[in-house]
Amino acid sequence: DGGITQSPKYLFRKEGQNVTLSCEQNLNHDAMYWYRQDPGQGLRLIYYSQIVNDFQKGDIAEGYSVSREKKESFPLTVTSAQKNPTAFYLCASSMVLVRSVGQPQHFGDGTRLSIL
Amino acid sequence: AQKITQTQPGMFVQEKEAVTLDCTYDTSDPSYGLFWYKQPSSGEMIFLIYQGSYDQQNATEGRYSLNFQKARKSANLVISASQLGDSAMYFCAMRDYMIYNQGGKLIFGQGTELSVKP
Repeated sequence: DGGITQSPKYLFRKEGQNVTLSCEQNLNHDAMYWYRQDPGQGLRLIYYSQIVNDFQKGDIAEGYSVSREKKESFPLTVTSAQKNPTAFYLCASSMVLVRSVGQPQHFGDGTRLSIL
Repeated sequence: AQKITQTQPGMFVQEKEAVTLDCTYDTSDPSYGLFWYKQPSSGEMIFLIYQGSYDQQNATEGRYSLNFQKARKSANLVISASQLGDSAMYFCAMRDYMIYNQGGKLIFGQGTELSVKP
């Protein structure tokens, strides 16, 4: 079945540690996104990528880094510079069609990150 | 700036009844799309329904329909014949053409928590 796989489901970070969240898709989508969700809140964009080897900062990129070496993969690293990393992280992907605003984003099941 | 507002933090509905979840949006772009997602307690975001700004008819998908009132900038989700499995957070989201040119992210509202009572 086509979809987006995020791992791990739960992750704990120690002080000063970098951690990496995995996101893999087999939908053949060009665009991939990382969102952060805090309790009772909507989603905020961290980073996005529309093509391999290129990515752009979203609204809250500080303390995070990404890479896009393969179309299928878009890992997110939460660095020690992110002082409040406890949140639910969602990865999404979508097709990119010229002049089309109507492509839905498809989401993975998310990763819950907590501070130890 | 683009914005989505969901004014109902939580709602209750009796099983088998219909319920309307409110969503208002703000954009100056004439070309935009509106999306509704469902987020169960397990966390995944499930795409429900889409309405384009130029669509002449309100979108429908099974028990979900979208009450699109363009002049009022509202895109309310209507769930008919509620089921216990409909209990979840519901998010309204938007993308306009300017956002499309900036990477195509979705702008999300704060969400409405729906509880279906047996």
